[in-house]
Amino acid sequence: EADIYQTPRYLVIGTGKKITLECSQTMGHDKMYWYQQDPGMELHLIHYSYGVNSTEKGDLSSESTVSRIRTEHFPLTLESARPSHTSQYLCASSLGQLPREQYFGPGTRLTVT
Amino acid sequence: GQNIDQPTEMTATEGAIVQINCTYQTSGFNGLFWYQQHAGEAPTFLSYNVLDGLEEKGRFSSFLSRSKGYSYLLLKELQMKDSASYLCAVSTNRDDKIIFGKGTRLHILP
Repeated sequence: EADIYQTPRYLVIGTGKKITLECSQTMGHDKMYWYQQDPGMELHLIHYSYGVNSTEKGDLSSESTVSRIRTEHFPLTLESARPSHTSQYLCASSLGQLPREQYFGPGTRLTVT
Repeated sequence: GQNIDQPTEMTATEGAIVQINCTYQTSGFNGLFWYQQHAGEAPTFLSYNVLDGLEEKGRFSSFLSRSKGYSYLLLKELQMKDSASYLCAVSTNRDDKIIFGKGTRLHILP
């Protein structure tokens, strides 16, 4: 069973607030990812990391930022939340150089009012 | 551009067999994944194909034809718990970044 955790699971917050979504994995995976998914829609990659101090933007433009100071931790920050940021945010990780399956966390459902 | 196509929805009967197709056009190919996602939950890995042919894993099988840019997921002996979305995803290069299709929502009728 995959050991990847996200907190909070649900968050309702007002416009303009700064928020950080937490993601941690205990599998020693070097690669980590953040996806955004609206209900019934496809997953969009917004950030990824190949290891400590490595971060890249994904295919979907996002106003969020990420950091990777420790292998196991990959937090995502929104400096000023807006209603357009309302979505589900999924964190994932994978191991190794070759394409491998990604293990997903349970997700954070964010609502910005 | 990059494109992954799969049917939006399918319906099948408990105990039957269903085939979910996926076609892709990507710049580079380094493997194709199938994931299952129940409503409100995270995706879970089902299969990975990098060479042409059929991979069987219990009730689920996945097929790949790289020359045709085509894959399918075959589900046998359908159970009610198989009602979910099935996501086709392609790895386009060696760095393990993958592109997801929109998913096929499968409804199982008793």
